[in-house]
Amino acid sequence: DAGITQSPRHKVTETGTPVTLRCHQTENHRYMYWYRQDPGHGLRLIHYSYGVKDTDKGEVSDGYSVSRSKTEDFLLTLESATSSQTSVYFCAISPGGTLYEQYFGPGTRLTVT
Amino acid sequence: GENVEQHPSTLSVQEGDSAVIKCTYSDSASNYFPWYKQELGKGPQLIIDIRSNVGEKKDQRIAVTLNKTAKHFSLHITETQPEDSAVYFCAMDFGNEKLTFGTGTRLTIIP
Repeated sequence: DAGITQSPRHKVTETGTPVTLRCHQTENHRYMYWYRQDPGHGLRLIHYSYGVKDTDKGEVSDGYSVSRSKTEDFLLTLESATSSQTSVYFCAISPGGTLYEQYFGPGTRLTVT
Repeated sequence: GENVEQHPSTLSVQEGDSAVIKCTYSDSASNYFPWYKQELGKGPQLIIDIRSNVGEKKDQRIAVTLNKTAKHFSLHITETQPEDSAVYFCAMDFGNEKLTFGTGTRLTIIP
């Protein structure tokens, strides 16, 4: 494992409630990513960060926000969870950006009822 | 548009045989083509990658080939073993600093 932890690992929440997922790294890598994985869609990029307080949108960013106040932590927030956000969420880190290896965390399974 | 198609979605091969997974894409402004392997309950892990200035790359039983003219790249696994059973994803950048992943191939090695 590349020193990445995700918390929580499993969560069940109700529609309309806010949810925050945390990604923590011990590698001091600059780049961090949030993906969601759904059957038939592979992995889709939600948001990414290229430094503290530097973030940008990915392919499926609607309904999600992120924050990175420290190098080691990248938070993903669902302001008001919907059933369509039921998914497995993966955090990834990279020392050099998109054109280099990304190391993935173990994932968080989120169910919105 | 930025689209990468991966085929087949499922693949079963006898142990010891070869497996080939192919990805085709629509945009040619791409420089980096990695392949990831995901085992059950885990996050994806990079197994091999290739850059646009190279046509083929090998690492033991795994190889990747790239045909930029035809806009496709393929993963080749030879002498398959039970531990090769997993879901494999191709990915690529479209020149926008973001990776786009294929939809995945579930490979099953039959003992």
